[in-house]
Amino acid sequence: KAGVTQTPRYLIKTRGQQVTLSCSPISGHRSVSWYQQTPGQGLQFLFEYFSETQRNKGNFPGRFSGRQFSNSRSEMNVSTLELGDSALYLCASSLEDAGGYTFGSGTRLTVV
Amino acid sequence: QKEVEQNSGPLSVPEGAIASLNCTYSDRGSQSFFWYRQYSGKSPELIMFIYSNGDKEDGRFTAQLNKASQYVSLLIRDSQPSDSATYLCAVRGSARQLTFGSGTQLTVLP
Repeated sequence: KAGVTQTPRYLIKTRGQQVTLSCSPISGHRSVSWYQQTPGQGLQFLFEYFSETQRNKGNFPGRFSGRQFSNSRSEMNVSTLELGDSALYLCASSLEDAGGYTFGSGTRLTVV
Repeated sequence: QKEVEQNSGPLSVPEGAIASLNCTYSDRGSQSFFWYRQYSGKSPELIMFIYSNGDKEDGRFTAQLNKASQYVSLLIRDSQPSDSATYLCAVRGSARQLTFGSGTQLTVLP
């Protein structure tokens, strides 16, 4: 059974640019969540999607957005990148509210 | 007060000892609780989940939950050097999102 797939694994962007990250959940999982992980702040919740609807949103500025497609694949977008957006972005999927999340390998974003 | 708090660590235990990791949470409506292990440079990996008060055992791992005290713990028996990692407590609160603690770094000394 394939796990959660995130692409790309690494990204280097310049301040002011925008970026789109992609996540394919485990087959059959309809819930997809996104987290930002930094050494200082730990794992911070960005948003959660379920059946193409955003169910929860964390305390991040509007520059951070996401969406989920009918096949449960999800994308997150960060516009007007700032240096502080440099982080590991993790996607996780779950079978609705049952059990825990399975994480992907993450996308390491560096903003220069 | 943070929503999910863990021992700041780092925690060091000798090989073969019991490692005890603790976590408290603030949302009384929380229903499910998870422990993740994260090796350096890797993504978090689910090792235990618990929904009911009491103990839940899985191999060398035991999760303990006390909802009245809003307290979750993870015991690792017969600790091995391969258990050295950061352990993250996660709580699914009344808003259903999964909130993580900042993690406790565990080192098992050979």
